[in-house]
Amino acid sequence: AQRVTQPEKLLSVFKGAPVELKCNYSYSGSPELFWYVQYSRQRLQLLLRHISRESIKGFTADLNKGETSFHLKKPFAQEEDSAMYYCALRGYSGGGADGLTFGKGTHLIIQP
Amino acid sequence: DAGVTQSPTHLIKTRGQQVTLRCSPKSGHDTVSWYQQALGQGPQFIFQYYEEEERQRGNFPDRFSGHQFPNYSSELNVNALLLGDSALYLCASSLSVGTSTDTQYFGPGTRLTVL
Repeated sequence: AQRVTQPEKLLSVFKGAPVELKCNYSYSGSPELFWYVQYSRQRLQLLLRHISRESIKGFTADLNKGETSFHLKKPFAQEEDSAMYYCALRGYSGGGADGLTFGKGTHLIIQP
Repeated sequence: DAGVTQSPTHLIKTRGQQVTLRCSPKSGHDTVSWYQQALGQGPQFIFQYYEEEERQRGNFPDRFSGHQFPNYSSELNVNALLLGDSALYLCASSLSVGTSTDTQYFGPGTRLTVL
């Protein structure tokens, strides 16, 4: 069974400090990994996916297959980064791509 | 393009009743997925519809059923409602590429309360 674990329910850092949101996954094959973000009163939106290897809003995430992790990082946090962050996994079964499996989310608060 | 739209925004039902939630996908998308998000939890995959058929299903009972129409819009039906069905129901649309799908775009959700 596939599983996504986000160990921190809440993470509070000061503006300008580095941020790391942890994500570990369990899956027997080669999954796709995503980070979704939900700002206050907005809908869930894609932040980045591991296959695109992009940096979005200063965030990066590297897939570590050995440690089965996909941690989200940003070197200098900004107040507008305060939001709910979800790590998600998509596996593949006989019928093709599966639905997304989400972690429980980490509430990131950036203090001024 | 308004993106993914869902109706209604909020809904209150009593135990044992039946409910239908609706979703219109983003323009150009042909695949609709439904998720249940309980309070304090991440979204949980219910099922996915493509070409008017259920293509994938998560770990949800048969009380949860769906439909996709020729215009790609979709409905989620829940029968014999339980208190535990109270949640935010999210619809996500995407474009299928072979057996895979591109990025999923989420709607604002329908908040269902079961009393």
